[in-house]
Amino acid sequence: QQQVKQSPQSLIVQKGGIPIINCAYENTAFDYFPWYQQFPGKGPALLIAIRPDVSEKKEGRFTISFNKSAKQFSLHIMDSQPGDSATYFCAASMAGNTPLVFGKGTRLSVIA
Amino acid sequence: GAGVSQTPSNKVTEKGKYVELRCDPISGHTALYWYRQSLGQGPEFLIYFQGTGAADDSGLPNDRFFAVRPEGSVSTLKIQRTERGDSAVYLCASSLNSHTGELFFGEGSRLTVL
Repeated sequence: QQQVKQSPQSLIVQKGGIPIINCAYENTAFDYFPWYQQFPGKGPALLIAIRPDVSEKKEGRFTISFNKSAKQFSLHIMDSQPGDSATYFCAASMAGNTPLVFGKGTRLSVIA
Repeated sequence: GAGVSQTPSNKVTEKGKYVELRCDPISGHTALYWYRQSLGQGPEFLIYFQGTGAADDSGLPNDRFFAVRPEGSVSTLKIQRTERGDSAVYLCASSLNSHTGELFFGEGSRLTVL
Protein backbone atom coordinates (compact mmCIF):
# COMPACT_ATOMS: atom_id res chain seq x y z
CA GLN A 1 0.00 0.00 0.00
CA GLN A 2 1.49 3.27 -1.11
CA GLN A 3 1.27 5.76 1.73
CA VAL A 4 2.10 8.85 -0.34
CA LYS A 5 0.79 9.13 -3.89
CA GLN A 6 2.59 11.58 -6.15
CA SER A 7 1.62 12.97 -9.54
CA PRO A 8 2.41 13.53 -12.30
CA GLN A 9 5.11 10.97 -13.03
CA SER A 10 6.83 13.39 -15.41
CA LEU A 11 6.45 17.02 -16.35
CA ILE A 12 7.89 19.24 -19.07
CA VAL A 13 7.64 23.04 -18.79
CA GLN A 14 9.11 26.01 -20.58
CA LYS A 15 11.66 28.18 -18.83
CA GLY A 16 9.81 30.69 -16.68
CA GLY A 17 6.77 28.43 -16.27
CA ILE A 18 5.35 27.25 -12.93
CA PRO A 19 5.43 23.47 -12.60
CA ILE A 20 3.13 22.04 -9.93
CA ILE A 21 3.66 18.62 -8.38
CA ASN A 22 0.99 17.06 -6.20
CA CYS A 23 0.98 14.57 -3.36
CA ALA A 24 -1.84 12.90 -1.48
CA TYR A 25 -1.66 10.89 1.73
CA GLU A 26 -4.03 8.75 3.77
CA ASN A 27 -2.48 8.61 7.24
CA THR A 28 -3.81 11.56 9.25
CA ALA A 29 -1.06 10.99 11.81
CA PHE A 30 1.54 12.34 9.38
CA ASP A 31 2.79 15.69 10.62
CA TYR A 32 5.90 16.46 8.60
CA PHE A 33 5.89 16.88 4.84
CA PRO A 34 9.20 17.54 3.05
CA TRP A 35 10.08 17.75 -0.61
CA TYR A 36 13.39 16.35 -1.80
CA GLN A 37 15.21 17.12 -5.06
CA GLN A 38 17.44 14.54 -6.73
CA PHE A 39 19.84 15.02 -9.63
CA PRO A 40 21.09 12.01 -11.62
CA GLY A 41 23.80 10.11 -9.77
CA LYS A 42 23.25 12.04 -6.55
CA GLY A 43 21.33 11.40 -3.38
CA PRO A 44 18.11 13.30 -2.64
CA ALA A 45 18.53 16.71 -0.96
CA LEU A 46 15.94 18.52 1.15
CA LEU A 47 14.31 21.38 -0.72
CA ILE A 48 11.55 22.62 1.57
CA ALA A 49 9.31 21.17 4.27
CA ILE A 50 6.02 22.03 5.96
CA ARG A 51 4.10 21.00 9.07
CA PRO A 52 0.28 20.91 9.13
CA ASP A 53 -0.15 24.00 11.30
CA VAL A 54 0.36 26.24 8.24
CA SER A 55 -1.24 26.17 4.79
CA GLU A 56 1.65 27.58 2.80
CA LYS A 57 5.39 27.97 3.05
CA LYS A 58 7.71 29.81 0.66
CA GLU A 59 11.47 29.56 0.32
CA GLY A 60 12.85 31.48 -2.61
CA ARG A 61 11.17 30.23 -5.80
CA PHE A 62 9.73 27.15 -4.08
CA THR A 63 6.33 27.08 -2.38
CA ILE A 64 4.49 24.27 -0.59
CA SER A 65 0.71 24.50 -0.41
CA PHE A 66 -0.90 22.26 2.20
CA ASN A 67 -4.57 21.26 2.41
CA LYS A 68 -5.13 19.32 5.63
CA SER A 69 -8.80 18.53 5.02
CA ALA A 70 -8.07 17.13 1.57
CA LYS A 71 -4.90 15.39 2.79
CA GLN A 72 -2.95 16.88 -0.09
CA PHE A 73 0.11 19.03 -0.51
CA SER A 74 1.84 20.40 -3.56
CA LEU A 75 5.10 21.95 -4.69
CA HIS A 76 5.15 25.01 -6.93
CA ILE A 77 8.32 26.25 -8.60
CA MET A 78 8.12 29.88 -9.67
CA ASP A 79 10.08 31.15 -12.69
CA SER A 80 11.45 27.66 -13.37
CA GLN A 81 14.94 27.37 -14.84
CA PRO A 82 16.71 24.59 -16.78
CA GLY A 83 18.81 24.01 -13.65
CA ASP A 84 15.62 22.94 -11.85
CA SER A 85 15.44 19.87 -14.10
CA ALA A 86 15.58 16.98 -11.63
CA THR A 87 13.41 14.38 -9.96
CA TYR A 88 11.29 15.64 -7.08
CA PHE A 89 10.01 13.46 -4.25
CA CYS A 90 7.37 14.28 -1.70
CA ALA A 91 7.57 12.49 1.63
CA ALA A 92 5.81 12.28 4.96
CA SER A 93 6.44 11.09 8.47
CA MET A 94 4.92 11.07 11.94
CA ALA A 95 6.31 12.34 15.20
CA GLY A 96 7.92 9.70 17.37
CA ASN A 97 10.83 8.60 15.22
CA THR A 98 8.96 6.96 12.36
CA PRO A 99 10.73 6.77 9.01
CA LEU A 100 10.08 9.09 6.09
CA VAL A 101 7.94 7.49 3.39
CA PHE A 102 8.55 8.78 -0.10
CA GLY A 103 6.39 9.18 -3.17
CA LYS A 104 7.47 7.62 -6.44
CA GLY A 105 8.88 10.86 -7.78
CA THR A 106 8.22 13.35 -10.57
CA ARG A 107 10.80 13.86 -13.28
CA LEU A 108 10.78 17.54 -14.19
CA SER A 109 12.34 18.90 -17.37
CA VAL A 110 12.57 22.66 -17.85
CA ILE A 111 13.33 23.52 -21.45
CA ALA A 112 14.79 26.82 -22.57
CA GLY B 1 34.44 16.01 2.83
CA ALA B 2 31.68 17.01 5.23
CA GLY B 3 28.87 14.99 3.65
CA VAL B 4 27.69 11.40 3.95
CA SER B 5 30.17 9.07 2.31
CA GLN B 6 29.20 5.70 0.83
CA THR B 7 31.46 2.99 -0.52
CA PRO B 8 31.65 1.35 -2.92
CA SER B 9 29.88 3.63 -5.39
CA ASN B 10 29.32 0.65 -7.66
CA LYS B 11 29.29 -3.06 -6.91
CA VAL B 12 28.70 -5.85 -9.40
CA THR B 13 28.31 -9.31 -7.95
CA GLU B 14 27.00 -12.71 -8.90
CA LYS B 15 23.80 -14.24 -7.64
CA GLY B 16 24.36 -16.00 -4.34
CA LYS B 17 27.35 -13.92 -3.25
CA TYR B 18 27.67 -11.85 -0.08
CA VAL B 19 28.09 -8.06 -0.22
CA GLU B 20 28.81 -5.30 2.26
CA LEU B 21 28.00 -1.65 1.70
CA ARG B 22 29.53 1.00 3.94
CA CYS B 23 28.21 4.35 5.11
CA ASP B 24 30.16 7.08 6.90
CA PRO B 25 27.67 9.66 8.21
CA ILE B 26 28.18 13.33 8.93
CA SER B 27 30.20 13.77 12.10
CA GLY B 28 27.97 14.32 15.11
CA HIS B 29 24.82 12.92 13.50
CA THR B 30 23.35 10.33 15.83
CA ALA B 31 20.64 9.06 13.48
CA LEU B 32 21.52 6.94 10.43
CA TYR B 33 19.18 5.46 7.84
CA TRP B 34 19.41 3.01 4.98
CA TYR B 35 17.04 3.30 2.05
CA ARG B 36 16.86 1.37 -1.20
CA GLN B 37 15.95 3.03 -4.49
CA SER B 38 14.98 1.03 -7.55
CA LEU B 39 14.93 2.58 -11.00
CA GLY B 40 12.12 5.09 -11.36
CA GLN B 41 11.00 4.73 -7.74
CA GLY B 42 11.28 6.73 -4.58
CA PRO B 43 13.59 5.72 -1.74
CA GLU B 44 12.23 2.79 0.26
CA PHE B 45 13.04 2.64 3.98
CA LEU B 46 15.11 -0.30 5.20
CA ILE B 47 16.48 0.41 8.69
CA TYR B 48 17.16 3.26 11.11
CA PHE B 49 19.83 3.53 13.81
CA GLN B 50 19.81 5.89 16.75
CA GLY B 51 23.34 5.64 18.08
CA THR B 52 24.51 2.03 18.01
CA GLY B 53 21.13 0.36 18.15
CA ALA B 54 18.68 -0.37 15.37
CA ALA B 55 15.63 1.65 16.41
CA ASP B 56 13.49 0.43 13.51
CA ASP B 57 14.33 -2.41 11.13
CA SER B 58 10.81 -2.92 9.84
CA GLY B 59 11.82 -2.15 6.25
CA LEU B 60 14.36 -4.95 5.86
CA PRO B 61 12.79 -7.22 3.22
CA ASN B 62 13.97 -10.55 4.68
CA ASP B 63 16.64 -12.13 6.85
CA ARG B 64 19.25 -11.95 4.10
CA PHE B 65 19.59 -8.26 4.94
CA PHE B 66 21.37 -7.10 8.06
CA ALA B 67 22.97 -3.83 9.17
CA VAL B 68 25.28 -2.84 12.00
CA ARG B 69 26.62 0.34 13.51
CA PRO B 70 28.93 -0.91 16.28
CA GLU B 71 30.42 2.39 17.41
CA GLY B 72 27.55 4.71 16.61
CA SER B 73 29.22 6.18 13.55
CA VAL B 74 30.03 4.08 10.46
CA SER B 75 27.38 1.59 9.41
CA THR B 76 27.58 -1.48 7.19
CA LEU B 77 24.65 -2.98 5.31
CA LYS B 78 25.19 -6.68 4.70
CA ILE B 79 23.34 -8.74 2.12
CA GLN B 80 23.71 -12.52 2.09
CA ARG B 81 22.96 -14.85 -0.83
CA THR B 82 22.24 -11.95 -3.16
CA GLU B 83 19.43 -12.25 -5.67
CA ARG B 84 18.88 -10.39 -8.95
CA GLY B 85 15.97 -8.56 -7.33
CA ASP B 86 18.39 -6.98 -4.85
CA SER B 87 19.81 -4.83 -7.67
CA ALA B 88 19.18 -1.19 -6.74
CA VAL B 89 20.88 1.92 -5.41
CA TYR B 90 21.33 1.68 -1.66
CA LEU B 91 21.18 5.12 -0.08
CA CYS B 92 22.46 6.05 3.34
CA ALA B 93 21.34 9.20 5.15
CA SER B 94 22.11 10.78 8.48
CA SER B 95 20.44 13.42 10.59
CA LEU B 96 21.16 15.27 13.79
CA ASN B 97 18.58 13.35 15.77
CA SER B 98 15.12 12.24 14.69
CA HIS B 99 13.10 11.53 11.56
CA THR B 100 11.40 14.89 11.43
CA GLY B 101 14.56 16.79 10.72
CA GLU B 102 16.53 17.09 7.52
CA LEU B 103 18.02 13.88 6.16
CA PHE B 104 21.39 14.26 4.47
CA PHE B 105 21.83 11.58 1.85
CA GLY B 106 24.97 10.12 0.39
CA GLU B 107 25.31 9.48 -3.34
CA GLY B 108 24.45 5.84 -2.89
CA SER B 109 25.97 2.47 -3.70
CA ARG B 110 24.69 0.99 -6.94
CA LEU B 111 24.42 -2.79 -6.55
CA THR B 112 24.05 -4.99 -9.61
CA VAL B 113 23.46 -8.70 -9.11
CA LEU B 114 24.08 -10.73 -12.26
